Amino acid sequence: DGGITQSPKYLFRKEGQNVTLSCEQNLNHDAMYWYRQDPGQGLRLIYYSQIVNDFQKGDIAEGYSVSREKKESFPLTVTSAQKNPTAFYLCASRVDFGQEKLFFGSGTQLSVL
Amino acid sequence: LAKTTQPISMDSYEGQEVNITCSHNNIATNDYITWYQQFPSQGPRFIIQGYKTKVTNEVASLFIPADRKSSTLSLPRVSLSDTAVYYCLVGGVRDDKIIFGKGTRLHILP
Repeated sequence: DGGITQSPKYLFRKEGQNVTLSCEQNLNHDAMYWYRQDPGQGLRLIYYSQIVNDFQKGDIAEGYSVSREKKESFPLTVTSAQKNPTAFYLCASRVDFGQEKLFFGSGTQLSVL
Repeated sequence: LAKTTQPISMDSYEGQEVNITCSHNNIATNDYITWYQQFPSQGPRFIIQGYKTKVTNEVASLFIPADRKSSTLSLPRVSLSDTAVYYCLVGGVRDDKIIFGKGTRLHILP
């Protein structure tokens, strides 16, 4: 089945530690996105990428980094500079033509120890 | 990108029709209107998309008046499982940056 896979489902970070969230898609979509969701809030855009080896900052990119070395993969690193990383992180990909339609993964819940 | 305004929350009862209205006064000529549904601890799911008049699928209907400054998502005969957050987005199909608002928290009561 085609889809987006995020891992791990739960992740714990210690103070001063960098952690990486995985996002893989086999939908052959060019565009991929990372969103952060805090409890009871909407989604906020962290980073997005329209093509391999290119990505842009969203509204809350500080303390995060991404890479896009392969079309299928768009990992997100939460760095130690992100002082309040506890949140639900969602990865999405988009059909690049015809419709603005996002497909989401099942999310990663990141918590600080 | 056009900004959208939705009610923060709504309550309804099982079996009722629910209408959620989204205001988007600054919608551009080439913008589409898209609605997503999100259950707790899951990613949002595409429900419906439209440009003008009415669109219907197996899940919902989307009504868009001629001036396109608002739109209404209609959920027929809701059940408890329709309790979720519903997001209205407005943008062109070539927009790279896709922004979500706060959505409408719909609570269906028995």
